Amino acid sequence: DQQVKQNSPSLSVQEGRISILNCDYTNSMFDYFLWYKKYPAEGPTFLISISSIKDKNEDGRFTVFLNKSAKHLSLHIVPSQPGDSAVYFCAASARAGKLTFGTGTRLTIIP
Amino acid sequence: DTAVSQTPKYLVTQMGNDKSIKCEQNLGHDTMYWYKQDSKKFLKIMFSYNNKELIINETVPNRFSPKSPDKAHLNLHINSLELGDSAVYFCASSAQTPGQGASGYTFGSGTRLTVV
Repeated sequence: DQQVKQNSPSLSVQEGRISILNCDYTNSMFDYFLWYKKYPAEGPTFLISISSIKDKNEDGRFTVFLNKSAKHLSLHIVPSQPGDSAVYFCAASARAGKLTFGTGTRLTIIP
Repeated sequence: DTAVSQTPKYLVTQMGNDKSIKCEQNLGHDTMYWYKQDSKKFLKIMFSYNNKELIINETVPNRFSPKSPDKAHLNLHINSLELGDSAVYFCASSAQTPGQGASGYTFGSGTRLTVV
């Protein structure tokens, strides 16, 4: 039972444009959501997070939006840069604290 | 200085063997984790230790046994390896304990285990 889903396995975006990565979840107990970025042969690195009491969190070029009624969150990267090419994982946690991950979206930024 | 280091990075072994993967963190974190990324790229938690105590044990075969000699180390021992154990195993640590949020996970670079 996959509680966190990323339905797009890959996404290609032109450099300078906006990248939008999507994530859906099914567990209504999730109250904290995170995005991780992963380069090949490296572990995931934390990118940005959002608590369920907010609907938006921004950090530089990265913004995460949360729609609790739709159980949907998205990561916006603007402007997209070549170094953003990586696999992006959505993750969620309930009060128990353990992270439940999605299957990832491979983002390719085209120069 | 690597914050969370795992050894070995690659491990190829035959079915039926016993192997260990070591993990060390120098961040002073209290909680450590093992995650498995399978062929479908799904990252799934296996175990979590807080100050050497097991706090999360997902549905993992008994052949997998974590050991935490101190809070900076969490090793994973696997007995009687099977083909289906082939995956990338990630160690992680966090300052928070479960219930306090999960933003501070720091991952190691992974161990690619191939069982032949």
